[in-house]
Amino acid sequence: KQEVTQIPAALSVPEGENLVLNCSFTDSAIYNLQWFRQDPGKGLTSLLLIQSSQREQTSGRLNASLDKSSGRSTLYIAASQPGDSATYLCAVRMDSSYKLIFGSGTRLLVRP
Amino acid sequence: AAGVIQSPRHLIKEKRETATLKCYPIPRHDTVYWYQQGPGQDPQFLISFYEKMQSDKGSIPDRFSAQQFSDYHSELNMSSLELGDSALYFCASSFPGGYNEQFFGPGTRLTVL
Repeated sequence: KQEVTQIPAALSVPEGENLVLNCSFTDSAIYNLQWFRQDPGKGLTSLLLIQSSQREQTSGRLNASLDKSSGRSTLYIAASQPGDSATYLCAVRMDSSYKLIFGSGTRLLVRP
Repeated sequence: AAGVIQSPRHLIKEKRETATLKCYPIPRHDTVYWYQQGPGQDPQFLISFYEKMQSDKGSIPDRFSAQQFSDYHSELNMSSLELGDSALYFCASSFPGGYNEQFFGPGTRLTVL
């Protein structure tokens, strides 16, 4: 059974710092991996999608990497801003399924 | 850009009542997914449809049923509601094929009293 873990559970940084969020998964037979952002009580905004054959994807200040064989992905946020404060979730889709399996998220606070 | 539309946004029901949640996917998306997110929890997959056929099933209670219609919108029907059904219910949609990124709607917040 696939298990997705995110470390740390919470993170507080001063504005301007570069930071890395970690996501690990136990079964490497994934189809793709998505990173989401969720504001309190709100929906999930898709940030980046990485296919299993890809190593990384970039969008603006965000860069996500994938090491499928070791079961790891990282989300790098450059020059963090208070508006980046939210919960960041990673989710994997397995080869044999349509569903996304989510991690428990990292709650990020960027202090002004 | 058009997004996934969910209605209603908020719903309050009594125990043992029924509820119907609606989802309108992004235009030209033919796959829809339903997820349930309890308080302080991560989203859990319920069910998905591709071209109006059930494509995958997760931990959906027998009291719940869903379908996708000819215009690709989907409805989640929930009967005999329990207090534990109180949650955010998300619908997502995607294109089929290789780059099937899932785009989520704003969610329906269901409160069962």
